[in-house]
Amino acid sequence: QKEVEQDPGPLSVPEGAIVSLNCTYSNSAFQYFMWYRQYSRKGPELLMYTYSSGNKEDGRFTAQVDKSSKYISLFIRDSQPSDSATYLCAMSATAGNQFYFGTGTSLTVIP
Amino acid sequence: DAGITQSPRHKVTETGTPVTLRCHQTENHRYMYWYRQDPGHGLRLIHYSYGVKDTDKGEVSDGYSVSRSKTEDFLLTLESATSSQTSVYFCAIKSGTSVYEQYFGPGTRLTVT
Repeated sequence: QKEVEQDPGPLSVPEGAIVSLNCTYSNSAFQYFMWYRQYSRKGPELLMYTYSSGNKEDGRFTAQVDKSSKYISLFIRDSQPSDSATYLCAMSATAGNQFYFGTGTSLTVIP
Repeated sequence: DAGITQSPRHKVTETGTPVTLRCHQTENHRYMYWYRQDPGHGLRLIHYSYGVKDTDKGEVSDGYSVSRSKTEDFLLTLESATSSQTSVYFCAIKSGTSVYEQYFGPGTRLTVT
């Protein structure tokens, strides 16, 4: 079983839609959670991060963590064509050593 | 963009040859990481470093070695390349004071024929 599971999509939505991206994990020791965005043929870039359970909002993006269900989500409101990318979740049990990534979800926002 | 470069950016090599990929940073960050990215597997950690000459294995370290003799450089070596090591390799850096913020390089596309 993989440490982190993520639906690869692809996901295609119209501009302005709300997008929900999700990951599940098996290691209850994970406490640091991150979302990265990766454009085609580029390196991933950190989008959001949260510690332990709860919500965090940054502009059009909201990250949620439910440790009891081992489930994390990223919501994108008012999606834009520029949001078209692959989104990867990542998590870690310790501060800075091994990070475990999901396989990524490919998102296309259609104008 | 974070000051992180990778060289070469593209390489084609034959099975059985040694290959070294270089990651160079100008941020003076403590942590450096090597990942490979493959369809269906996402990003997987190969090795990481938490200081000069301090390295540790990740989840897919077999067939790879690393060295870090200077803060700014982290080398990944494939001693005898195999076709299964065809992949895109990403280097990442992180400061010692940050828990989350890894900055990734542009990647090296390696093909082993």
